Amino acid sequence: DSGVTQTPKHLITATGQRVTLRCSPRSGDLSVYWYQQSLDQGLQFLIQYYNGEERAKGNILERFSAQQFPDLHSELNLSSLELGDSALYFCASSTLGHGNQPQHFGDGTRLSIL
Amino acid sequence: AQTVTQSQPEMSVQEAETVTLSCTYDTSESNYYLFWYKQPPSRQMILVIRQEAYKQQNATENRFSVNFQKAAKSFSLKISDSQLGDTAMYFCAFINSGNTPLVFGKGTRLSVIA
Repeated sequence: DSGVTQTPKHLITATGQRVTLRCSPRSGDLSVYWYQQSLDQGLQFLIQYYNGEERAKGNILERFSAQQFPDLHSELNLSSLELGDSALYFCASSTLGHGNQPQHFGDGTRLSIL
Repeated sequence: AQTVTQSQPEMSVQEAETVTLSCTYDTSESNYYLFWYKQPPSRQMILVIRQEAYKQQNATENRFSVNFQKAAKSFSLKISDSQLGDTAMYFCAFINSGNTPLVFGKGTRLSVIA
């Protein structure tokens, strides 16, 4: 158990819809990362938050947004969903967001767009 | 931009044998960190081993060890006494010492055969 909690585990929805994925980091971790893993692909970085503020942005679509709340949990919002958005979405956390601190991953949310 | 290349999409090994997974990376940074993550069929991302670039000594974790060749920008993973539970996708990942996210390779699918 990594200590990172992601909900829901599975999400099935239709094109055009909007969903919210939730992540609670490990106790004490201030930095949260979101990654997308499409079928049989590596993980692509989407966005990072540190102590409530956006710190780094990767290949995140404009239809996607995220935030980190004062209690440090984070939400990833995906809107106007397309078939290609079907993927496994991972949240990871680390203590301060520095490179020397390992990122610990949640179990992911599997998003299926019908 | 940093890149990570895993040249072996699939590998197989007999139970109790040794297997080596290859990874090369490209960076202009001098201080960085390298990781191997394991993703079993359950799709969890599990940290296997990490290596700091400034350390010459290769990291070891039980049956897992790395061969880190900084000049060649190579970071291979050796799994000794392979077990059926080692069957998984293995991802090599890179992060520099600053505030950047993990960069993943596309993965190597390892099958351990009884």
